[in-house]
Amino acid sequence: SQTIHQWPATLVQPVGSPLSLECTVEGTSNPNLYWYRQAAGRGLQLLFYSVGIGQISSEVPQNLSASRPQDRQFILSSKKLLLSDSGFYLCAQPGRSGNTIYFGEGSWLTVV
Amino acid sequence: ELKVEQNPLFLSMQEGKNYTIYCNYSTTSDRLYWYRQDPGKSLESLFVLLSNGAVKQEGRLMASLDTKARLSTLHITAAVHDLSATYFCAVHGSGSRLTFGEGTQLTVNP
Repeated sequence: SQTIHQWPATLVQPVGSPLSLECTVEGTSNPNLYWYRQAAGRGLQLLFYSVGIGQISSEVPQNLSASRPQDRQFILSSKKLLLSDSGFYLCAQPGRSGNTIYFGEGSWLTVV
Repeated sequence: ELKVEQNPLFLSMQEGKNYTIYCNYSTTSDRLYWYRQDPGKSLESLFVLLSNGAVKQEGRLMASLDTKARLSTLHITAAVHDLSATYFCAVHGSGSRLTFGEGTQLTVNP
């Protein structure tokens, strides 16, 4: 199995500031990685998914972007944060067989 | 576009009672997941269901899948306070996408 690390765990940023959330994977892994966002009291919204280095698919139009510079690294970024970007960001990856989806511990972002 | 609907969204029940959470999805899928989320925490995997008629049980929770009806259920037997959490179903769609339901917030009262 694998372990998914997310950093930072908590972040408070002013409107208009940049953002970088990092997800790294340890252990045996599946090539696919996902970024989800969860607004308070809501379900999970898929933001980006990647099937390999440099390969990113965006699910919703927004001011966020993602990059996959290394096989085990997935980064979520923004040049200028909006209040609506606040939420709980989760990185996820299927297990090697694809039968289980593992989640990181999440990053709490509050935009003020 | 794959849509996943859960009901109820909010469930308050007494300890010792039974109840079922439903998860409907709109297009064919080869797997369905159930997750638990405690407040402020990440998601914990409960079950993955891979075929029509699949049934899995862990403690007081039992999940089943009917792919023909595009329906999964999560049955809670003799609820205890420790089961209070939000439960999500998620369906594996095309292009490696995993689509989640809105979640069912379960509160078990003594």
